[in-house]
Amino acid sequence: DSGVTQTPKHLITATGQRVTLRCSPRSGDLSVYWYQQSLDQGLQFLIQYYNGEERAKGNILERFSAQQFPDLHSELNLSSLELGDSALYFCASSVALAGGDYTFGSGTRLTVV
Amino acid sequence: AQTVTQSQPEMSVQEAETVTLSCTYDTSESDYYLFWYKQPPSRQMILVIRQEAYKQQNATENRFSVNFQKAAKSFSLKISDSQLGDAAMYFCAYRAPFSSNTGKLIFGQGTTLQVKP
Repeated sequence: DSGVTQTPKHLITATGQRVTLRCSPRSGDLSVYWYQQSLDQGLQFLIQYYNGEERAKGNILERFSAQQFPDLHSELNLSSLELGDSALYFCASSVALAGGDYTFGSGTRLTVV
Repeated sequence: AQTVTQSQPEMSVQEAETVTLSCTYDTSESDYYLFWYKQPPSRQMILVIRQEAYKQQNATENRFSVNFQKAAKSFSLKISDSQLGDAAMYFCAYRAPFSSNTGKLIFGQGTTLQVKP
């Protein structure tokens, strides 16, 4: 157990639907990062939150949004899902804004059918 | 923008032999961090080794070592005495300095390592 908890582990949904992925960071970590791993795009950074605030944004689609709550857990919301959104979504956490040990969760496997 | 390139999609090595995985990167920063991550079939991302750009000494972790060539922007991973459990996808990653105010990682495309018994 890395200390970063992602739920659910697997998710199968239909095109056009909306899903929410959840991440609980390692205890004491203030930064949460979301990454998408797909076959054709590799591992791509989506977004970072630090202590509840958005701090960095990558190639995140407008259909995707995220937030970090006061208890520091984070949710990634994916809407109007397309087949191409099928991927492994990783959450990672670190104690600092721009450094410190980095821990990955085990990922959520999203399949859009 | 920073980029990371792994030019070897697949590599294979005989058990107990040595293999080197290549990585090049592009950045205008002088102080940054480089990482190698291992992703076994379980899909868990496991940190193998890290290198701070301000350190001239190459990082070493047991059978894993790096050859960090800052001027050439090259960061290769050497695995000695390869074991069956080393079979995985390996990702090279870059992280900007603290002044960037983000700890996001930029990953290469990955290299799949096969270990033959």
